[in-house]
Amino acid sequence: EVQLVESGGGLVQPGGSLKLSCAASGFTFSGSAMHWVRQASGKGLEWVGRIRSKANSYATAYAASVKGRFTISRDDSKNTAYLQMNSLKTEDTAVYYCTHSSGYYWGQGTLVTVSS
Amino acid sequence: DIQMTQSPSAMSASVGDRVTITCRASQGISNYLAWFQQKPGKVPKRLIYAASSLQSGVPSRFSGSGSGTEFTLTISSLQPEDFATYYCLQHNSYVWTFGQGTKVEIK
Repeated sequence: EVQLVESGGGLVQPGGSLKLSCAASGFTFSGSAMHWVRQASGKGLEWVGRIRSKANSYATAYAASVKGRFTISRDDSKNTAYLQMNSLKTEDTAVYYCTHSSGYYWGQGTLVTVSS
Repeated sequence: DIQMTQSPSAMSASVGDRVTITCRASQGISNYLAWFQQKPGKVPKRLIYAASSLQSGVPSRFSGSGSGTEFTLTISSLQPEDFATYYCLQHNSYVWTFGQGTKVEIK
């Protein structure tokens, strides 16, 4: 059974940093691209970024709204993807989901609240 | 970047109605298009992939069509459990863009 479990969310002040984790199981993580998607309360889905596999040089891509502030990485030995979020803004407040590249498998999400 | 324009943003419909939701891509994306259903407080659920392939376990009243820049999700006969928000997703070149969403409400 495929499982994606996010962790690391919480309350952070504007300008602060937070690192989210996505622990994967049930599929060949090392061969899969992983994406992060977020959703502010009452709003639509917004793609945050992705990281490809080692075979694709761990290539990353980001949405314009987070480029330069967020970094996606992965540790294939731990079957885990990460989202490092720096210089956080109030508008980054959202539930953050990790997803498999197929778009079929999603984690349950972790809430990030940026507020003073 | 590829933009996705989804319409309508909201609609009211009755049980048994035929419902059509459209997504238009700002440039051709072949069939790299999926449709999702999301209910309040729940994780998005993929209904359609590759523009027209029905996800296993999804009722056959859902169907997708289109290629290139114009795509459609159709619910042939709306059921009570179908009241939700629907999103299209383009995934060309491993860079994703979601449509703005369509909230389907009870008339």
